[in-house]
Amino acid sequence: DIQMTQSPSAMSASVGDRVTITCRASQGISNFLAWFQQKPGTVPQRLIYGASNLDNGVPSRFSGSGSGTDFTLTISSLQPEDFATYYCLQHHTFPYTFGQGTKLEIK
Amino acid sequence: EVQLLESGGGLVKPGGSLRLSCAASGFIFGTSNMIWVRQAPGKGLEWVASISRGSDYVHYADSVRGRFTISRDNSYMSLSLYMTYLRAEDTALYYCARDLVPDYWGQGALVTVSS
Repeated sequence: DIQMTQSPSAMSASVGDRVTITCRASQGISNFLAWFQQKPGTVPQRLIYGASNLDNGVPSRFSGSGSGTDFTLTISSLQPEDFATYYCLQHHTFPYTFGQGTKLEIK
Repeated sequence: EVQLLESGGGLVKPGGSLRLSCAASGFIFGTSNMIWVRQAPGKGLEWVASISRGSDYVHYADSVRGRFTISRDNSYMSLSLYMTYLRAEDTALYYCARDLVPDYWGQGALVTVSS
């Protein structure tokens, strides 16, 4: 199975900060990577698919990049509603696998 | 409006069985691949199983292969997950979701495996 490793596992940041979360695949997955946001007590929401395609309605401060084994999710200017846990998902090879998550907290 | 509503969760003893269902509405169910994802209490997301539009292709996580069975009935717009030989580590909130890279999720059904 393909292992997905996110870093960091947790981080704190301030409103207005630029934040980058990384996801590394144990083998090449081309651009078959998605990012999800989950706030406490709520259902996950897809933000990005195909490594860099923003879902409808997702603010443009979110962006994704990468190909092969290394990917990043960037939030250009953190807003209060962005504090959540973020997960990557590889959809290149079955079984699909999620990263362990990155919890983004307020500093 | 796309809606996914899971049912069938509950408390079951180790070694027992349980069937989850997911009722879909608001989209053409028969044209969508469907998946199950679970989340243990306080833990991350775990992809569990997927099924293609016509049930031709099914895939499972290693942790559930041989114990869980995913199925669907396009006539009834319903997705199921039949879980057998349940273990304590199967305790989780089970989400039904649309598409292999899920764009819509249900609210989840809680499965607790405990004696």
